[in-house]
Amino acid sequence: QKEVEQDPGPLSVPEGAIVSLNCTYSNSAFQYFMWYRQYSRKGPELLMYTYSSGNKEDGRFTAQVDKSSKYISLFIRDSQPSDSATYLCAMSSIYNQGGKLIFGQGTELSVKP
Amino acid sequence: EAGVVQSPRYKIIEKKQPVAFWCNPISGHNTLYWYRQNLGQGPELLIRYENEEAVDDSQLPKDRFSAERLKGVDSTLKIQPAELGDSAVYLCASSREGTGLSSGANVLTFGAGSRLTVL
Repeated sequence: QKEVEQDPGPLSVPEGAIVSLNCTYSNSAFQYFMWYRQYSRKGPELLMYTYSSGNKEDGRFTAQVDKSSKYISLFIRDSQPSDSATYLCAMSSIYNQGGKLIFGQGTELSVKP
Repeated sequence: EAGVVQSPRYKIIEKKQPVAFWCNPISGHNTLYWYRQNLGQGPELLIRYENEEAVDDSQLPKDRFSAERLKGVDSTLKIQPAELGDSAVYLCASSREGTGLSSGANVLTFGAGSRLTVL
């Protein structure tokens, strides 16, 4: 079993839809939780991060962490065609302070105009 | 500010040939990472440097892979000889040391990657 599991999709939604992306994990030592966005033939870029449990909002994006369930989510409101990309969750233990990341396999999202 | 620069962007070689990838991190970033990303998968860490010291190379297949980071700046990742299963995107990332993600420390910035195809 992988330490981080992510539904690979692909996920196709109409423009303006609310998108929910999720990951589960098994390592209770994970304290840093991140979401990266990766456009085709580009490197991943950091979207959001959270430390420990709770919610964080940044514009149309909301990240949620439920440590009791070992489950994290990324919500995208009013999705746009420019949001079409692969979304990777990533996690790190407190010992690495966010440095050594363990990634999910990524969810490919397509937002149709 | 220039980002993480990698070269070559694409490389096609025949199996058993050697190949090398180069990475120039963001200026001032003392930590450098090499990740491998297989098709349809997330990146997996190969090696992590703090300055010129390899502090985590537990996932690097040492029989055929080698890496160096001379003078704690640029880094090279080499594969010799390459195998069919080495076809992947090799990503370099860098971060600066600090205390806490909120200050921007320990946030990884990735390069565009070097896509290797082994025939």
